[in-house]
Amino acid sequence: SQQGEEDPQALSIQEGENATMNCSYKTSINNLQWYRQNSGRGLVHLILIRSNEREKHSGRLRVTLDTSKKSSSLLITASRAADTASYFCATEILNDYKLSFGAGTTVTVRA
Amino acid sequence: EPEVTQTPSHQVTQMGQEVILRCVPISNHLYFYWYRQILGQKVEFLVSFYNNEISEKSEIFDDQFSVERPDGSNFTLKIRSTKLEDSAMYFCASTQIAGGTHNEQFFGPGTRLTVL
Repeated sequence: SQQGEEDPQALSIQEGENATMNCSYKTSINNLQWYRQNSGRGLVHLILIRSNEREKHSGRLRVTLDTSKKSSSLLITASRAADTASYFCATEILNDYKLSFGAGTTVTVRA
Repeated sequence: EPEVTQTPSHQVTQMGQEVILRCVPISNHLYFYWYRQILGQKVEFLVSFYNNEISEKSEIFDDQFSVERPDGSNFTLKIRSTKLEDSAMYFCASTQIAGGTHNEQFFGPGTRLTVL
C-alpha cells in the first residue's frame, strides 16, 4: 500500500542543533504533508509540499521533495525543547483524497 | 484561526455498546475524514465523506461503522457494537478542495476511545 516511511525512527539532539528526518514513499503523489504530534495529543499540520514543488520553508522548518527518488525530508533548525514530539509524513496519492501515514520519527530535544 | 473540534475528548465504554464520536469540521471545508491511531501504531484512514455521502472507506470501516452529517456543522462516527480492538484515538479531519487543488488536511484533537 502507499505509505510514507520515516527515517530515523528516533532522534535525540541537543537544544540549538538541527534535526533532519526523511520520508520515503512508493507511488506518485498529489502532495506530501508533515505533521507533529505531542505525546497522546492531536496532529498538528506543519507544512504541505505539492508534487511540482521541490522545497518549502515555514519558520524554522524546511521541507524538500524529490519525486524522482520518492522521498522528502524535514529539517528543523535551531531546535528547542518544545520541538520534542513525533513527526509524521503523510502522502496523498495521485487521484486520491486520503492520507497514508508513516510510523513517524520521535524527536527528543535535550536542554 | 478556524479549527476542527471533537467531542468527547475521552470516551470509555463497555464492549458491545454503541458509541458516537462527534466532530465539527472547519466551516468552509467540503471533504471530511475519520482516521484512527491505535496506541503506538500508525494513523490509519477509515473513511472519507463528500457531498453527503461516503467517498471512500478502508477495510477497517466495516458494517459496524457508519458516518453521518446530521446538520450543516456536525460530522459523526458511530460504532454500533464496540470491540476491545476498537480502542484507539479517533481523529476527524477536514480539507478544502478547490478547483481540483488538494489542500492541507486539518485534524481535530482526537477522541480517545477505551473499550472495556
